[in-house]
Amino acid sequence: EVQLVQSGAEGKMPGESLRISCKGYGYSFSNYWIGWVRQMPGKGLEWMGTIYPGDSDTRYSPYFQGQVTISADQSTNTAYLQWGSLKASDTAMYYCARRWHDSEFFQYWGPGTQVTVSS
Amino acid sequence: DIQMTQSPSTLSAFVGDRVTITCRASQSITTYLAWYQQKPGKAPQILIYKTSNLESGVPPRFSGSGSGTEFTLTISSLQPDDFATYYCQQYNSIPLTFGGGTKVEIK
Repeated sequence: EVQLVQSGAEGKMPGESLRISCKGYGYSFSNYWIGWVRQMPGKGLEWMGTIYPGDSDTRYSPYFQGQVTISADQSTNTAYLQWGSLKASDTAMYYCARRWHDSEFFQYWGPGTQVTVSS
Repeated sequence: DIQMTQSPSTLSAFVGDRVTITCRASQSITTYLAWYQQKPGKAPQILIYKTSNLESGVPPRFSGSGSGTEFTLTISSLQPDDFATYYCQQYNSIPLTFGGGTKVEIK
């Protein structure tokens, strides 16, 4: 059974750095693209970017390029989303999701990681 | 970017009603459209991909149609478990974009 297990909720202050994780189980992690999707409070879904763990090829939404870094570690079957300097506007739920084979929709989703940034 | 516009944003319906949600793309996406269902406090779940293909395990009361710039998600007979928010997503081109969502409420 495919499962994506995400790291726990985070409470941070503005300016702090953060890395959240998404660990894949039940499939060949290296061979499927993993995406990150933001959902701000009470709002819709926004695609941030997608990474292919096999070679770390990464595609970013232009709206998130330079704002976050997406990475993956094949040895631990884990994908990461990180910020160098958080802002209050980064407060949101962040989902990782596994892409379907060769199409860019998301077949499996993690439960989400709530990130709260507040002074 | 391709903009995805869903309508209505909120829909009130009775159990047993036939419900249709529309998703319009700002330019042609051929048939590269997916639909997701999201319940409060939960992650989205895929319902339909490539416009009309039902994901395994999704009840057949859900169906999708369309091409080009106009798409619909239809629930043939609304069930209590279907009250949720529905999102469309185009995957014709990067950046991937979602519609704003349609919340289906109990009437």
